[in-house]
Amino acid sequence: DQQVKQNSPSLSVQEGRISILNCDYTNSMFDYFLWYKKYPAEGPTFLISISSIKDKNEDGRFTVFLNKSAKHLSLHIVPSQPGDSAVYFCAAQLPPNDMRFGAGTRLTVKP
Amino acid sequence: DVKVTQSSRYLVKRTGEKVFLECVQDMDHENMFWYRQDPGLGLRLIYFSYDVKMKEKGDIPEGYSVSREKKERFSLILESASTNQTSMYLCASSFPRAIYSNQPQHFGDGTRLSIL
Repeated sequence: DQQVKQNSPSLSVQEGRISILNCDYTNSMFDYFLWYKKYPAEGPTFLISISSIKDKNEDGRFTVFLNKSAKHLSLHIVPSQPGDSAVYFCAAQLPPNDMRFGAGTRLTVKP
Repeated sequence: DVKVTQSSRYLVKRTGEKVFLECVQDMDHENMFWYRQDPGLGLRLIYFSYDVKMKEKGDIPEGYSVSREKKERFSLILESASTNQTSMYLCASSFPRAIYSNQPQHFGDGTRLSIL
């Protein structure tokens, strides 16, 4: 039972354009959402998060949007850079410590 | 900077062997986690621990056990390795949410385990 779904296994965008990665969840009890970035041969690294009491959180080129009624969140990267090419995991947390991950989306940013 | 260190990057074992995967963190985190990552399935939680000698089952604990004798070290044990346990194993640690809310998990670089 995958409670967190990333339906696009891959995404390709041109350098300088916007990248939009999407994530859907089924459990309305999730109260904290995160995005992790993973390069090959490395562990995931935390990128950005959002609490369920907010609908937007911004950190430099990265913005996460949360639509609780649709149980949907998205990560926007503007402008995209070749160094952003990686696998992005969406995660959702049930209190206190239970975190569920999506299957990941491989982003390729072309120069 | 948080450092989570997994003892092996690559490991090849035989079916039926007992396998130990070690993880050490240097940030005095109470929580530690073991995940496996498989294509199309993302990260799935095997076990986690929120204190020394404490452990909780995750989503897929069958065939695994864990040990947390010291706060900084969390070991994953494959009691009798099978080919379906071939995977990437990731260890993570974090502060508990009760004390520091919304604490992200910090991951090691993973151990790619092959069971032949």
